[in-house]
Amino acid sequence: GQQVMQIPQYQHVQEGEDFTTYCNSSTTLSNIQWYKQRPGGHPVFLIQLVKSGEVKKQKRLTFQFGEAKKNSSLHITATQTTDVGTYFCAGGFDGQNFVFGPGTRLSVLP
Amino acid sequence: NAGVTQTPKFRVLKTGQSMTLLCAQDMNHEYMYWYRQDPGMGLRLIHYSVGEGTTAKGEVPDGYNVSRLKKQNFLLGLESAAPSQTSVYFCASTPFTGGNEQFFGPGTRLTVL
Repeated sequence: GQQVMQIPQYQHVQEGEDFTTYCNSSTTLSNIQWYKQRPGGHPVFLIQLVKSGEVKKQKRLTFQFGEAKKNSSLHITATQTTDVGTYFCAGGFDGQNFVFGPGTRLSVLP
Repeated sequence: NAGVTQTPKFRVLKTGQSMTLLCAQDMNHEYMYWYRQDPGMGLRLIHYSVGEGTTAKGEVPDGYNVSRLKKQNFLLGLESAAPSQTSVYFCASTPFTGGNEQFFGPGTRLTVL
């Protein structure tokens, strides 16, 4: 079946440092979504990317969708302690369901 | 609006026992999903429903059954619980599929002894 990989599994940064997580699929995606899950919480939708090469920004967060629509990245500039959590990508393959990556757990040291 | 709610929040079962998890949404969404989340494995789709009265299997359906008798409710059943089903279960809903935000419930933490 379809698989979505994410790296790194964990990332520890000092507050103020940048952070990037990468998402990869072996097959072409129709679209990709990103979610954030705080410790003990539930996933919360951040954004969706649909077009090849698309770049979207939300304040300090920058999301990219690769030209081949097989990979995506989330970059956080100048991390804050409120950024702590696990970031998941979810790849859309067939227009019906999404396959979630294993997530990247971000720790931010004050 | 309450959004997506799940009942119960926590449950401990013994091997072989059965139980039903309830998911309810008040957003009139067509699509509903059940996921399980295990450490380091992200969210895996168990079953989903594209509308009232319809259900379909996801990635990991074995050992689970579902029903969607009413549009706002999606039930997940475990007929004979096994320790491998110890997990956190999340329900989600979305108005349409293929390109819409999934709204998640708070989750149910299930332990099977």
